[in-house]
Amino acid sequence: DAGITQSPRHKVTETGTPVTLRCHQTENHRYMYWYRQDPGHGLRLIHYSYGVKDTDKGEVSDGYSVSRSKTEDFLLTLESATSSQTSVYFCAIGGQTETQYFGPGTRLLVL
Amino acid sequence: GQQLNQSPQSMFIQEGEDVSMNCTSSSIFNTWLWYKQEPGEGPVLLIALYKAGELTSNGRLTAQFGITRKDSFLNISASIPSDVGIYFCAGHPRGSNFGNEKLTFGTGTRLTIIP
Repeated sequence: DAGITQSPRHKVTETGTPVTLRCHQTENHRYMYWYRQDPGHGLRLIHYSYGVKDTDKGEVSDGYSVSRSKTEDFLLTLESATSSQTSVYFCAIGGQTETQYFGPGTRLLVL
Repeated sequence: GQQLNQSPQSMFIQEGEDVSMNCTSSSIFNTWLWYKQEPGEGPVLLIALYKAGELTSNGRLTAQFGITRKDSFLNISASIPSDVGIYFCAGHPRGSNFGNEKLTFGTGTRLTIIP
């Protein structure tokens, strides 16, 4: 298994509160990604990073921000959580090829 | 966003049977990846294909990169109970991670094994 951990693994929060999810890798991969997975939509890219402090938006970035201050950590922040952001969030890492390795996921419930 | 057409959407088979599934795209990809996801877990990479026509095996799993570059196939031989899960394909149009292209994912094939 690729060395990817996500924290927390489960979280319940209330609408309007900020939430930060963390992805940590031990593989020294350059690329890191945040996806959400929802029934009927599959995996959708939220944001990605191609280096420390280098990030860009994916297809569903509204309401989310990211930061990468170290190679090994990629944070996803929901500034003000909404019920539509209830989902399972996956972090992935990648090197020079297109192959991506996924973390175990964070299940988020916004009440 | 774009998704790859993956079929079948679900399969109900008996233990010991062989399984075949495929992914098709309207555009060309230079990389095809196959993942398996079990309940409550993240997708796990099974096979990566980087060359048109390539046939790669991983135990009882065999995947092929279609000659047209617009499709890929995954076969599982002699299925066992632990094969249960959702299988996803993913494609990438370029030969490297540089640039703005990203992975496109299939809609998934849910495999169920009937006792």
